[in-house]
Amino acid sequence: EVQLVGSGGGLVQPGGSLRLSCAASGFTFTSYWMHWVRQAPGKGLVWLSRISNNGRNTIYADSVRGRFTISRDNAKNTVYLQMNNLRADDTAIYYCARAISGSSMDVWGQGTTVTVSS
Amino acid sequence: DIQMTQSPSSLSASVGDRVTITCRASQDIRIDLGWYQQKPGKAPERLIYAASSLQSGVPSRFSGSGSGTEFTLTISSLQPEDFATYYCLQHDVYPFTFGGGTKVEIK
Repeated sequence: EVQLVGSGGGLVQPGGSLRLSCAASGFTFTSYWMHWVRQAPGKGLVWLSRISNNGRNTIYADSVRGRFTISRDNAKNTVYLQMNNLRADDTAIYYCARAISGSSMDVWGQGTTVTVSS
Repeated sequence: DIQMTQSPSSLSASVGDRVTITCRASQDIRIDLGWYQQKPGKAPERLIYAASSLQSGVPSRFSGSGSGTEFTLTISSLQPEDFATYYCLQHDVYPFTFGGGTKVEIK
């Protein structure tokens, strides 16, 4: 079964850091680019970042560039999102998703919740 | 950034109704558009890719059309399990951008 399982969310104070993980199974991980998307409570979907299949190429939304870092470990079939200097408006459900290069995301993880609050 | 204007933001419909949702892109995105369905507390699921191709396993009552800047998602006969929020996504240019969503509610 194709599956993405996110983890690492939680409650963090403003200015703090958190690392999200997304473990992939059931498919050839190295064939896919990986994305992170978030959804604030009661709001719509917002694309955050993408990493190429070999990990050499990354890109970010303006809202997180310089604070968030996407990476992947192809030996562990896992993609990460390191989040630093977190703010209250980073509070959201964070989804990982896979995509073939040039296509939209076809499989999504279940989401992991991040709450930034003092 | 490319703006995706989705309309309507919400609609009320009955089982069996034909429903149409539109997304307009602020610039030409060719056919680089996907449609997603999201139910409360769940991750989005892709319904349509490349503007008009049906995702495997998705019922044929869902269809997509359009290219360039105008796109449409149609549900030919609304079923009880279709009450959800729908989003379009452009993946032609980074940053990828989503439409604001359309919440389909029971009339």
